[in-house]
Formats: sequence, structure tokens, C-alpha cells
Amino acid sequence: DVKVTQSSRYLVKRTGEKVFLECVQDMDHENMFWYRQDPGLGLRLIYFSYDVKMKEKGDIPEGYSVSREKKERFSLILESASTNQTSMYLCASSFAARGSQPQHFGDGTRLSIL
Amino acid sequence: SQQGEEDPQALSIQEGENATMNCSYKTSINNLQWYRQNSGRGLVHLILIRSNEREKHSGRLRVTLDTSKKSSSLLITASRAADTASYFCATAPVSGTYKYIFGTGTRLKVLA
Repeated sequence: DVKVTQSSRYLVKRTGEKVFLECVQDMDHENMFWYRQDPGLGLRLIYFSYDVKMKEKGDIPEGYSVSREKKERFSLILESASTNQTSMYLCASSFAARGSQPQHFGDGTRLSIL
Repeated sequence: SQQGEEDPQALSIQEGENATMNCSYKTSINNLQWYRQNSGRGLVHLILIRSNEREKHSGRLRVTLDTSKKSSSLLITASRAADTASYFCATAPVSGTYKYIFGTGTRLKVLA
């Protein structure tokens, strides 16, 4: 079974802190994604990566950056956390073929910024 | 409204009844996928239907796709309390990139 592991289920940070969310997948997937999920807004794509060191902005990249130094690991970075970044963050991975493969999700990180 | 709108937003049924959820989208797609999300967890892929397919089955799930109406439906037959979850459709636009576009979901509650 594919496993996508997010480093924390719950995280509490303070405004202005630099926050790292880590995601690891064990299926050698080329594509990895970071979403945030908010009530009534569904899933919104923050960033995705289709190869090591390659990344593309999603719909809401402002205030975030990402890092993919190894194929299995995709990190989301909140450069200076703000309260409006309190949310559920979901990582996903898939094989490469554009849009034709299902995504496999981690269990999410519920991040609170105080 | 955004691509991938599910309808209804919430649905409550008795165990053993069928549950039908609908998804509408705006642009041409390569495929449409349905996902389930249990409370506080990640999404789990249920079924993928390609743009040249009209119907697909998987166990108690039946998905239809009408590309002329840009809509899809997910039918869960003989529902169980364990089916209680949120259900999302996701589309892979033809124009695209690697992006999948998710709807806002249908919250299904199955009462025992």
C-alpha cells in the first residue's frame, strides 16, 4: 500500500515563526502536492512538484515556499506564519502521467497559528 | 462557482438506503475522480472515470459521467454507517498541467 506520511498531525505555532511541514512518500511517485483545506472552500493547491528540485505554484502560493531535495520528501515552509494560515494542510503524491493518476494523501497536519 | 461543485452539500440517510451525490464542472476534462474523507483524516481515492467512459462500478459504488452536461454522479448502494464521510470530486482538466481541481464536497451521514 502507498503510504504518505506527514510529520505532525497537530501543530501549534506563533505568528512570525518559520514553520516547516514535512511529507514523505514511499511509492517512488514523481508528483507531490501540498493543499490547504478550509471549511466551505474545499482543497486549494498551494504548490506542487513534478520532479526533484522542480516546483510550480498552485492557486494560493503567497506566504509559502516548498523544497524537494529528494524524490520521496516534499516540505512546505511558512516563511513567517500568520493567523490566516491556520488550517488543515494535506500532502499528496501520484505517478507522473498528467492528471490521469489518482492522488494518495497523508492524514493531514492541523496547524494553528496563535 | 468553482470547478467541481458537489451537490448536495450535506446528505443524511438511513442505513441500507442509497446515497447519490452530484458533481458539476466547467472545463473539458481528461478524467474525473471521486475521493472520500473521514473526519480529521486525509482523502482516499475511490474511483476514476475517464472522459470517454460513461459509467464505472466498484463494489457498491457506481459513477456516471456526462461530458455533454459536464456532470458526474456517485451512487453508493446499500449504505452503511461506515460510509459516513465527506465525498469530493476532482477533475483533471484537458488544458492542463498536473493540477487536479477539487470541489467543496458532500457531507454524507448514514444513520444506523
